[in-house]
Amino acid sequence: DTEVTQTPKHLVMGMTNKKSLKCEQHMGHRAMYWYKQKAKKPPELMFVYSYEKLSINESVPSRFSPECPNSSLLNLHLHALQPEDSALYLCASSHDRAPQFFGPGTRLTVL
Amino acid sequence: AQSVTQLGSHVSVSEGALVLLRCNYSSSVPPYLFWYVQYPNQGLQLLLKYTSAATLVKGINGFEAEFKKSETSFHLTKPSAHMSDAAEYFCAVSGESGYSTLTFGKGTMLLVSP
Repeated sequence: DTEVTQTPKHLVMGMTNKKSLKCEQHMGHRAMYWYKQKAKKPPELMFVYSYEKLSINESVPSRFSPECPNSSLLNLHLHALQPEDSALYLCASSHDRAPQFFGPGTRLTVL
Repeated sequence: AQSVTQLGSHVSVSEGALVLLRCNYSSSVPPYLFWYVQYPNQGLQLLLKYTSAATLVKGINGFEAEFKKSETSFHLTKPSAHMSDAAEYFCAVSGESGYSTLTFGKGTMLLVSP
């Protein structure tokens, strides 16, 4: 199984809502990543987890809160987002230090 | 600091023609280099990576890339384009703190006509 799954595929939320994005992989990869991608732009790294510990936080606002409950799961908790946070959020995993498999993404719209 | 320049936001080829997507990099340390492909409405997929071993790197789907230090280039090629190759292609270089912090180029959209 060489797949990274993400749920939900689409999410619309208001600025006062709290929601979570979920990511799952069963390839035994020990590194998992969250990226943000705006339309027609390359992905921007948000967070990296290595062996279930947060190893990189690219100065992401605190309204984004990552969580890695176990080696297969990665969550991104969202609270008090702004309309400019609307984007495609991509999860990725790898067995070494570069993202190898990406999920299809969650397309987030903040109203 | 690392940076990547992809020449051409769009490249058009005919089916069966050579594919050449250009990538030049700047890095203050020996770089690790990557090519990713993104099909419409999908996530990215790693095509190939250079990590200081062989300078000619073969990837999936018939793609390959050659690391040329003297030219600071890592161009992606495929001898014969297929319609299914139409996608966005991103070149990326590793950051100074290890290659989790990739710096991506702006991407090149490959268009393949029959």
